[in-house]
Amino acid sequence: GAGVSQSPRYKVAKRGQDVALRCDPISGHVSLFWYQQALGQGPEFLTYFQNEAQLDKSGLPSDRFFAERPEGSVSTLKIQRTQQEDSAVYLCASSFDLDRQTNYGYTFGSGTRLTVV
Amino acid sequence: RKEVEQDPGPFNVPEGATVAFNCTYSNSASQSFFWYRQDCRKEPKLLMSVYSSGNEDGRFTAQLNRASQYISLLIRDSKLSDSATYLCVVNSNYQLIWGAGTKLIIKP
Repeated sequence: GAGVSQSPRYKVAKRGQDVALRCDPISGHVSLFWYQQALGQGPEFLTYFQNEAQLDKSGLPSDRFFAERPEGSVSTLKIQRTQQEDSAVYLCASSFDLDRQTNYGYTFGSGTRLTVV
Repeated sequence: RKEVEQDPGPFNVPEGATVAFNCTYSNSASQSFFWYRQDCRKEPKLLMSVYSSGNEDGRFTAQLNRASQYISLLIRDSKLSDSATYLCVVNSNYQLIWGAGTKLIIKP
């Protein structure tokens, strides 16, 4: 596709439920990032992939959060046993490579708005 | 202290006025800098990169002061459609570090 695609756009989960959020990056983009954006805040880094390798997961807030990108394209962010504090917009972004990202930033998907009730 | 700090606003500005935002960052090794725009309930979109020499894109001018570690964005002849949140972003290694954003409201 032409842009970064995320699904679902909206997700309401009951506390304790597991959720899976999908990101389909721009074709050919090597770098893929997940961010969490709480209301009134800037995005906060969660994790970074280069192709299928997860090079940094230091931003994942707890071991309930897990991300994968098994074939180096589509990525899934999974949250187990969701809690109310997990309610946020989860943004995925991709970049062709780090050099271009340094100069041009990267492209975001529309995000998944997760509400845990 | 946050790595990237911005005045949250809101800035209420009449249409046609000039408005300026500043942003400060703490990591002197930061490599590149950006302004993103985010509309309500939308994803952030790149507005412009910020270069040391300063750069302009139409009504928008961005400046970087590495010595003082601040970035600015100037919007001239503001339009109603400029109403949004403007996020200052700093690239350190591969991570983009985001400010919380400055909310701008342009009034007719």
